[in-house]
Amino acid sequence: DIVMTQSPDSLAVSLGERATINCKSSQSVLYSSNNKNYLAWYQKKSGQPPKLLIYWASTRESGVPDRFSGSGSGTDFTLTISSLQAEDVAVYYCQHYYRTPQTFGQGTKVEIK
Amino acid sequence: EVQLLESGGGLVQPGGSLRVSCAASGFTFSNYAMSWVRQAPGKGLEWVSGISGSGGSTYHADSVKGRFTISRDNSKNTLYLQMNSLRAEDTAVFYCAKDVYSDYPHYFDHWGQGTLVTVSS
Repeated sequence: DIVMTQSPDSLAVSLGERATINCKSSQSVLYSSNNKNYLAWYQKKSGQPPKLLIYWASTRESGVPDRFSGSGSGTDFTLTISSLQAEDVAVYYCQHYYRTPQTFGQGTKVEIK
Repeated sequence: EVQLLESGGGLVQPGGSLRVSCAASGFTFSNYAMSWVRQAPGKGLEWVSGISGSGGSTYHADSVKGRFTISRDNSKNTLYLQMNSLRAEDTAVFYCAKDVYSDYPHYFDHWGQGTLVTVSS
């Protein structure tokens, strides 16, 4: 199985400041035939289901604010929140879908400093 | 509007069985693969099982293989997860998740609110 490891486990950022979350896969999730990275990011708020933010490593889901962006390729990926808002307090998960089983990172908790 | 409504969760004894369901609406159900994803108390997300849009292909995590069976009834727009030989470590909120493709599990653009399964004596 591909293991997804996120860092840090938690971070506290001031309102309006940048938050950066890293995700590393134990194997490359870049599919050479189509040059796509099989990597998604989700936001999960307490008591709510997960919400898709980013897919194909850098494509923003419709309706997601443009302060959320994804980058990276191969085994190393980053989710950036360019200007943290109060409503962004949540746990963020990366997930690969390169093959079954699709696995998630352990999650990164984002709080307000 | 896509809606996914899980049901069937509850308290079950270790070794027991339970079937959870997910009623889907707002999209052509048979055109999309579906999955179950769970979250144990205080833990992260874990993909459990997936099924193709036609129902012809199913996929299970090693942690549930041989105990859980995913299925779907496209005539009823309903997804199921039959859980047997339940263990305390299966206690979790189970989410139904809609895939963006029809063949095998990719990423999930819509999720239900979840149903809680508690395995305890």
